[in-house]
Amino acid sequence: GAGVSQSPSNKVTEKGKDVELRCDPISGHTALYWYRQRLGQGLEFLIYFQGNSAPDKSGLPSDRFSAERTGESVSTLTIQRTQQEDSAVYLCASSLVATANTGELFFGEGSRLTVL
Amino acid sequence: DAKTTQPNSMESNEEEPVHLPCNHSTISGTDYIHWYRQLPSQGPEYVIHGLTSNVNNRMASLAIAEDRKSSTLILHRATLRDAAVYYCILMNAGNNRKLIWGLGTSLAVNP
Repeated sequence: GAGVSQSPSNKVTEKGKDVELRCDPISGHTALYWYRQRLGQGLEFLIYFQGNSAPDKSGLPSDRFSAERTGESVSTLTIQRTQQEDSAVYLCASSLVATANTGELFFGEGSRLTVL
Repeated sequence: DAKTTQPNSMESNEEEPVHLPCNHSTISGTDYIHWYRQLPSQGPEYVIHGLTSNVNNRMASLAIAEDRKSSTLILHRATLRDAAVYYCILMNAGNNRKLIWGLGTSLAVNP
């Protein structure tokens, strides 16, 4: 597709359930990022992929959070045993190269997660 | 990581210029200044970036202070569609986009 695609756009789940959020980056983009944005807040870094490897997982808030990327394309963010504080918009971004000067970030529209 | 500070909110009238300031007094020599904006219910959108020299593109202009401790995003003629939260962030090759995104400036545009 033309842009970064995320699914589902909205997800309502019950506390304790697992959720999977999917990101399809722009074709050919080697770098992929996950961010979390709580209501009224700025973006919070979660994890970064270069190709299929994740050199920086330091932003994952707990061991309930994990992410993988396959085929240098699709990425899945999994949250196990969801808690109410996990409620947020999860944003995925990709860039052609992971360099500061030329690596413009392209964001998807996000997946809004609500944990009841 | 170096941080940026921006006013929480600003207001402008349609078709008037808007100057959005950003302070980054602890910027390092390898930090690039990037601006993104976020329209309601959307992901952030790239606006412009620069290192030392002023930059212009179809969306905006970026004016960077000589000491690089501050910068200003300039929207030459605000439109209603420019109402968004504007984020000023610093990027360098070493931070792997583990960026510090503050709360940004919420810009309101009056018709």
